[in-house]
Amino acid sequence: GQNIDQPTEMTATEGAIVQINCTYQTSGFNGLFWYQQHAGEAPTFLSYNVLDGLEEKGRFSSFLSRSKGYSYLLLKELQMKDSASYLCAVRDRLPRNNAGNMLTFGGGTRLMVKP
Amino acid sequence: NAGVTQTPKFRVLKTGQSMTLLCAQDMNHEYMYWYRQDPGMGLRLIHYSVGEGTTAKGEVPDGYNVSRLKKQNFLLGLESAAPSQTSVYFCASSYELEAKNIQYFGAGTRLSVL
Repeated sequence: GQNIDQPTEMTATEGAIVQINCTYQTSGFNGLFWYQQHAGEAPTFLSYNVLDGLEEKGRFSSFLSRSKGYSYLLLKELQMKDSASYLCAVRDRLPRNNAGNMLTFGGGTRLMVKP
Repeated sequence: NAGVTQTPKFRVLKTGQSMTLLCAQDMNHEYMYWYRQDPGMGLRLIHYSVGEGTTAKGEVPDGYNVSRLKKQNFLLGLESAAPSQTSVYFCASSYELEAKNIQYFGAGTRLSVL
């Protein structure tokens, strides 16, 4: 099975930088995803890491260390609209029962951006 | 582009009633999924489908059934609703030939069972 941990809540100030951590334990690893979910809305894809290192996409970056079972999402120049939940999800290496893309999600980190 | 559409958006049921949640996607995706989301527990996979006519159990399948008669539709059924099934239900789909295999989610169905 898989175990994914991320902080429940974080608070940051508009214009600042915030790092949301995610640690995981898995029997197989085939990629890590970050999703953003605004209250009452659908999760939307933010980033994907399968190799170690940093992936940058505008104000958002995601880092992966497979040996440590660790990832973080870095948000720069925070804006009020970044207030949302951020979901870390890990994909299994081997498909189970021809399952294709099986994701296991963490509980999500609720980020509150204050003026 | 509609993407993934879920109906209904809200529903209130009494214990023991049945209902079907409909998910439709217009992206020609092979894979479709049903999740439930509860506070503090993240998204948990109920059932999934890797193609038309195929379904399989996920992490929390008890009390639910699914059908995938058409590639674009994935139905989730509750035969006899229980208060423990009060949750937000999300449908998702993904394209199997894409390396990242990103899942695209619908807007959710908020279900209360009294």
